[in-house]
Amino acid sequence: QKEVEQNSGPLSVPEGAIASLNCTYSDRGSQSFFWYRQYSGKSPELIMFIYSNGDKEDGRFTAQLNKASQYVSLLIRDSQPSDSATYLCAVNMGRSSASKIIFGSGTRLSIRP
Amino acid sequence: DAGVIQSPRHEVTEMGQEVTLRCKPISGHDYLFWYRQTMMRGLELLIYFNNNVPIDDSGMPEDRFSAKMPNASFSTLKIQPSEPRDSAVYFCASSFRGASTNEKLFFGSGTQLSVL
Repeated sequence: QKEVEQNSGPLSVPEGAIASLNCTYSDRGSQSFFWYRQYSGKSPELIMFIYSNGDKEDGRFTAQLNKASQYVSLLIRDSQPSDSATYLCAVNMGRSSASKIIFGSGTRLSIRP
Repeated sequence: DAGVIQSPRHEVTEMGQEVTLRCKPISGHDYLFWYRQTMMRGLELLIYFNNNVPIDDSGMPEDRFSAKMPNASFSTLKIQPSEPRDSAVYFCASSFRGASTNEKLFFGSGTQLSVL
């Protein structure tokens, strides 16, 4: 089992709709969870982080965390063509002061006009 | 700050040659990470340092790979000898923990390595 798993896609969503991206992780003790966006040929950039169970909203983005199910998701409302990118789920699997941040293989999202 | 600086941006070499990738983290950051990205395997953590000390190198594929961080402003990843399967984009990233729980990674632009 991979430490962080994502569906590779591609996920095609019409403009203006909600895009839903999912991620599962193997280490039940993980405490920190992140979503990065990576445009083709560019570096990953952080868009959301979440530490507590429940929802966290930032503009059009909502991160959801369910530690009991070891599941993290990202919702993008009112999807725009500029949201077309690969979305990487990342989990900090370190302990105490360690910081072992593991990435999933990413989900490619395409927003069709 | 200029961000995380990696060099070279592109490297083309022949199988068997030594390759050295370089990284300058953001000043004041206490964590430095080396990742490798391929289509098949995604973004893999190779090694990370905390305050210049290697903490976890379990992702380093084999003895051909080595990484050093002689000071807080410089790190290298060396492959010797290189093989075609090492072809990938290599990213360096840094972060600052301190007393904060914000673990945002700042990525460099990456080095596109092609081993022929």
